[in-house]
Amino acid sequence: QLQLQESGPGLVKPSDTLSLTCYVSGGSLRISNFRWAWIRQHPGKGLEWIGTFYYPDNTYYNPSLRSRVTISVDTSKSQFSLRLGSVTAADTALYFCARQPNIYHAFDIWGQGTLAIVSS
Amino acid sequence: QSALTQPASVSGSPGQSITISCTGTGSDVGNYKFVSWYQQHPGEAPQLIIYDGNKRPSGVSNRFSASKSDKTASLTISGLKAEDEADYFCCSHDGGSLWVFGGGTKLTVL
Repeated sequence: QLQLQESGPGLVKPSDTLSLTCYVSGGSLRISNFRWAWIRQHPGKGLEWIGTFYYPDNTYYNPSLRSRVTISVDTSKSQFSLRLGSVTAADTALYFCARQPNIYHAFDIWGQGTLAIVSS
Repeated sequence: QSALTQPASVSGSPGQSITISCTGTGSDVGNYKFVSWYQQHPGEAPQLIIYDGNKRPSGVSNRFSASKSDKTASLTISGLKAEDEADYFCCSHDGGSLWVFGGGTKLTVL
């Protein structure tokens, strides 16, 4: 059973870069049948899609975040990462990684989420 | 790319049916059948309950069903149970491999 687990620093200073990692166990990031996404949830709010990666090197980003976000993959470590630059308090959120099967258009497996707080 | 519109809250008594709406635009819900729905209990990750408009993943109760009319998608939960109390989110493809979520609806089982 494939599982996803996010990790990150927890606390980031304003204007710094937030770096998060999603470790994939029980499956391979190289399988072209799946895409890999980052989604965030502001405290007490709805979900916001950040971006999606699919092997080998395709990425799609939320237009509102595109100038600050990068998603990359390290298949040797079975993980994919999110980098969000120039963070502000508005980027404080619970960040989830998730899998998107190509055969249907949804996010079917999610990690438990990692909280990132932007504060000095 | 604007968030899809959902009611902030809905409520129902055990055994009843409730419907949650999700309104988008002609660029997302109105143009694609790929609406999905997610259930999120407090402190947990969202769980997929409906995909591709009206399909249920294995293990999801058939009390959950969904439909779409023009720019509005709907999730119906029949035979309401206490365990259904949660937040529900819709999500739609937005063209060009982009995705947009709804603001979420809090379901209270009275």
